[in-house]
Amino acid sequence: AQTVTQSQPEMSVQEAETVTLSCTYDTSESDYYLFWYKQPPSRQMILVIRQEAYKQQNATENRFSVNFQKAAKSFSLKISDSQLGDAAMYFCAYRSGLYNNNDMRFGAGTRLTVKP
Amino acid sequence: NAGVTQTPKFQVLKTGQSMTLQCAQDMNHEYMSWYRQDPGMGLRLIHYSVGAGITDQGEVPNGYNVSRSTTEDFPLRLLSAAPSQTSVYFCASSYSKVVKGRYNSPLHFGNGTRLTVT
Repeated sequence: AQTVTQSQPEMSVQEAETVTLSCTYDTSESDYYLFWYKQPPSRQMILVIRQEAYKQQNATENRFSVNFQKAAKSFSLKISDSQLGDAAMYFCAYRSGLYNNNDMRFGAGTRLTVKP
Repeated sequence: NAGVTQTPKFQVLKTGQSMTLQCAQDMNHEYMSWYRQDPGMGLRLIHYSVGAGITDQGEVPNGYNVSRSTTEDFPLRLLSAAPSQTSVYFCASSYSKVVKGRYNSPLHFGNGTRLTVT
């Protein structure tokens, strides 16, 4: 089964600076999808960004971008110009490309603190 | 724009009691799933369904039952609550990947239920 590892339980960043959250995954599949979700104190799970494994170009969404290294099985999230509202738990997730496997696997999460 | 609706938001049970967590979605999603979230362990899949009448087990199914009689609803039943089931539970849904063009469909989550078993 695929596994997702987030090796940083906690990270902190100064407001307006840049922070990178790490994620690695283990899979034997060549086709899959990767996601980053944000969970603020409200407990809501919010999709931040997604990446298709067949795409070489890294996904970006405003201040959020990823560094997708398929050979290294690495999928890091970069947050630029950090804001107080970025403080949250961030989860990396993997979804198989197999048509009959809809399951999504999550890492343990990284708690991001933003210092004013 | 209801999305995925979970009830209740909070629940306290005594050991041995049973209860049902409700989940409903209005996006016509084929795939629905239940996760539990525990500190340091991320979200773990309990059960899932790819359509009405079809359910299957995830990583941690013991102590939980599900059914899917309609596309919209996917309740999770705790038959005999145990303190180990104290957790936050999330229901999530998405288009099924068997539908062409929806292979990268993300999961849409409910707001979670915090369950405490004493």
